[in-house]
Amino acid sequence: GAGVSQSPRYKVAKRGQDVALRCDPISGHVSLFWYQQALGQGPEFLTYFQNEAQLDKSGLPSDRFFAERPEGSVSTLKIQRTQQEDSAVYLCASSLVPEETQYFGPGTRLLVL
Amino acid sequence: AQRVTQPEKLLSVFKGAPVELKCNYSYSGSPELFWYVQYSRQRLQLLLRHISRESIKGFTADLNKGETSFHLKKPFAQEEDSAMYYCALITGANNLFFGTGTRLTVIP
Repeated sequence: GAGVSQSPRYKVAKRGQDVALRCDPISGHVSLFWYQQALGQGPEFLTYFQNEAQLDKSGLPSDRFFAERPEGSVSTLKIQRTQQEDSAVYLCASSLVPEETQYFGPGTRLLVL
Repeated sequence: AQRVTQPEKLLSVFKGAPVELKCNYSYSGSPELFWYVQYSRQRLQLLLRHISRESIKGFTADLNKGETSFHLKKPFAQEEDSAMYYCALITGANNLFFGTGTRLTVIP
């Protein structure tokens, strides 16, 4: 079956631009997670949804980062006024229920110039 | 606060040799630990989790609460084991907390 998909796979933005990253979780998966992976580091938690409810956004690094999942399926991570330090791979993961295995997407590699 | 430490960024072993990737953790709650693997040009995927006590692709990991460790072991390394390995801890909020990873290279 189809796994988690993310688009775009690569994004180059000029500093100050807004970007939107999309995640399509596995169908029927209740939980959705966003992680940020900087070069040479492990993934770091950003935010978590259970269906359409954003239950944890403690990992979002600033108020320039915003995530939504309005219908409990597709999710979008938006970064406003991008900065160079936002350059990273953004990973989305979904799980059937919160405590079950998280399945990761291929990631979106964001480069801010 | 939670912490996952993988002391080796790079590890090289010869094919057929034993391999051990180290992971130490710090967490105030009851830990649930995982190993994730990322092969070249593939997505991050679960290798094993300690509660299932399974052996996947010949790898095993035992949770040692006394030493707060969850080292990943395989008795005979294969070339296809070359990959990036991440140890991770799940917190009460269900999000994964990852170490910085170890790149394993198996030399033919």
